[in-house]
Amino acid sequence: SAVISQKPSRDICQRGTSLTIQCQVDSQVTMMFWYRQQPGQSLTLIATANQGSEATYESGFVIDKFPISRPNLTFSTLTVSNMSPEDSSIYLCSVAGGGRSYNEQFFGPGTRLTVL
Amino acid sequence: KQEVTQIPAALSVPEGENLVLNCSFTDSAIYNLQWFRQDPGKGLTSLLLIQSSQREQTSGRLNASLDKSSGRSTLYIAASQPGDSATYLCAVPSNDYKLSFGAGTTVTVRA
Repeated sequence: SAVISQKPSRDICQRGTSLTIQCQVDSQVTMMFWYRQQPGQSLTLIATANQGSEATYESGFVIDKFPISRPNLTFSTLTVSNMSPEDSSIYLCSVAGGGRSYNEQFFGPGTRLTVL
Repeated sequence: KQEVTQIPAALSVPEGENLVLNCSFTDSAIYNLQWFRQDPGKGLTSLLLIQSSQREQTSGRLNASLDKSSGRSTLYIAASQPGDSATYLCAVPSNDYKLSFGAGTTVTVRA
């Protein structure tokens, strides 16, 4: 299975500021995704991070609010811009399409964001 | 659009009892189904992946079954332990790997 790390693991931010979350995988993977999990809810897909091109966003999520980069096959960043308390969530990156478990999806430990 | 439902939403059992967690999905044309475990405030740990051609997958005390035609999967956890207390999520991918998740079943195993 892939080993995924995320930085930071948690943060408390002031409204109106931005936070960039990093996701690093220990091996090359085809697919990388960013999910949000609001308190008491299940996971919602924000976007697919595409290597070398713009991310593909799901309905309700826009690039200006959640810019994403993916410069190579092992690294991606998600920025939460102009934050409000409604952005308080756990943000998780996931990967698929690597190694022997091509169809299996693996998740990072998550970034717990609190916006005051 | 794929809809995934998990029943029950919460479950509390005494230690040693077997656990049965249910997952249903609306579109039976799936590639696979994955079960995850999530501890409070943490990321997801993959437990089992069942390919669409499989009926069953086992890992230690965990066994997951899949019935595509009826749109159901069941996760069995034998001889539950307090360390099994967590939220269990099932998820089904679309053809581009995007996962649709159920709301989860929160399990409490009482010592």
